[in-house]
Amino acid sequence: QVQLVQSGSVLKKPGASVKVSCEASGYSFTSHSMNWVRQAPGQGPEWMGWIDTNTGNPTYVPGFTGRFVFSLDTSASTAYLEIHSLKAEDTAVYYCSRDRWDHWGQGTLVTVSS
Amino acid sequence: EIVLTQSPGTLSLSPGERATLSCRASQSVSSSYLAWYQQKPGQAPRLLIYGASNRVTDIPDRFSGSGSGTDFTLTISRLEPEDFVVYYCQQSGTFGQGTKLEI
Repeated sequence: QVQLVQSGSVLKKPGASVKVSCEASGYSFTSHSMNWVRQAPGQGPEWMGWIDTNTGNPTYVPGFTGRFVFSLDTSASTAYLEIHSLKAEDTAVYYCSRDRWDHWGQGTLVTVSS
Repeated sequence: EIVLTQSPGTLSLSPGERATLSCRASQSVSSSYLAWYQQKPGQAPRLLIYGASNRVTDIPDRFSGSGSGTDFTLTISRLEPEDFVVYYCQQSGTFGQGTKLEI
């Protein structure tokens, strides 16, 4: 069965970087692009963009350019989200989801606090 | 940029009643990319409806979607206790702000 398993919750200080992983199993990883979604506390989901798992080409939604980086390790069927220069307002749960939105990771809570 | 506006923000009903949730787009959108999600506390959103009216496998038939153009509706015909959570519409990635269904 299709599964997306994300890395665990992290606590980071402002200005640091974080890398969230999303390991896929149960399907051909390069056949489906991967979306990333942010959900701040008490808020709705925000689509951050997606990465073509065949070419590695990322697409970022406005508002998620510059500090956010999508990458892949296709040999490990894993997608990554890296956030640089963390700010308190980056505190949120981050989800990966397959391109059809039918399967989601369990979410990774990133807390940014001094 | 398309904006999705969901109404009402909170809907108060009782188990067994019918719920009608609205999602209005700021401009006409393709029904093919209109989806509805359910989100329970502490869980990822769960896809219920795609293509405006197609129910995902294993989703109970009390959930149905309809609409076209700028106006879309999620209907829950007979509310069960586990249905009292938050629902989001989505169009090509962009999410609405959600409707909370409460008892």
